[in-house]
Amino acid sequence: EAGVTQSPTHLIKTRGQQATLRCSPISGHTSVYWYQQALGLGLQFLLWYDEGEERNRGNFPPRFSGRQFPNYSSELNVNALELEDSALYLCASSLGVSRGTEAFFGQGTRLTVV
Amino acid sequence: GENVEQHPSTLSVQEGDSAVIKCTYSDSASNYFPWYKQELGKRPQLIIDIRSNVGEKKDQRIAVTLNKTAKHFSLHITETQPEDSAVYFCAATGGTSYGKLTFGQGTILTVHP
Repeated sequence: EAGVTQSPTHLIKTRGQQATLRCSPISGHTSVYWYQQALGLGLQFLLWYDEGEERNRGNFPPRFSGRQFPNYSSELNVNALELEDSALYLCASSLGVSRGTEAFFGQGTRLTVV
Repeated sequence: GENVEQHPSTLSVQEGDSAVIKCTYSDSASNYFPWYKQELGKRPQLIIDIRSNVGEKKDQRIAVTLNKTAKHFSLHITETQPEDSAVYFCAATGGTSYGKLTFGQGTILTVHP
C-alpha cells in the first residue's frame, strides 16, 4: 500500500511568485494536514482538510491557502512568495474525524525562494 | 490554543544507555499524544502514541508514559542503539485543538557507539 506522496520533491521559485504543492493521502484516508518545517525548527501547523472542507488553520497569513479534491488529494498554494517561506512543507494524512487521529507524513516538498 | 514544551533540546547517550525525553502540554482537554522520529533528510515517522485513557504504553524498547494531572508525557528508549540517533518530536491534539497536532520543538538524540 502506498504511503502519503507529495510532489514535487524540490521547488525553486523567485520572490513574488506563486507555488503549488500537491499531496496524495494514503488510500482510505480522508483528512489531510499541511505543516511547515523551517530549517532547524519544529513543525508548524498550516491547514487541515477533511471531507473536502477546511477544518482548522494555523497562524499563517492568507497568502497560504489550499484545497482538498473529491478524491481527498490536496494542494497547498503559497502566493506572493517571500524569502522566509523557504522550508520543507510536509503533508500528512489520517483516517479522518472520529475514525482515527494517527497521522502519517509524506516525504515533503523542499521549497526554496530566491 | 495548545502549547507543547519539549525537553531537552539535545541529548547525548552511550550505546546501551536509556534516553528519556519529556513534554508538557497546556490544554487539559488534549487526549492524543504521538511521538515522531525524524532522521536527517527523511519524513517524520510515527513511532508510538498514547491516548488520555491510558497511563503507559510500551512497544519493545520504546515506552511512553502520560500524567494527565500534571499534563506531561515522556518517551523512554531503553538499550539505545546508534540507529536511534534522530530528532524526536512529541505532539498533542484534542479538545480545542482537535485535528491539529501541536508539536514540541524537537530533541536531537545522539547515541554514541
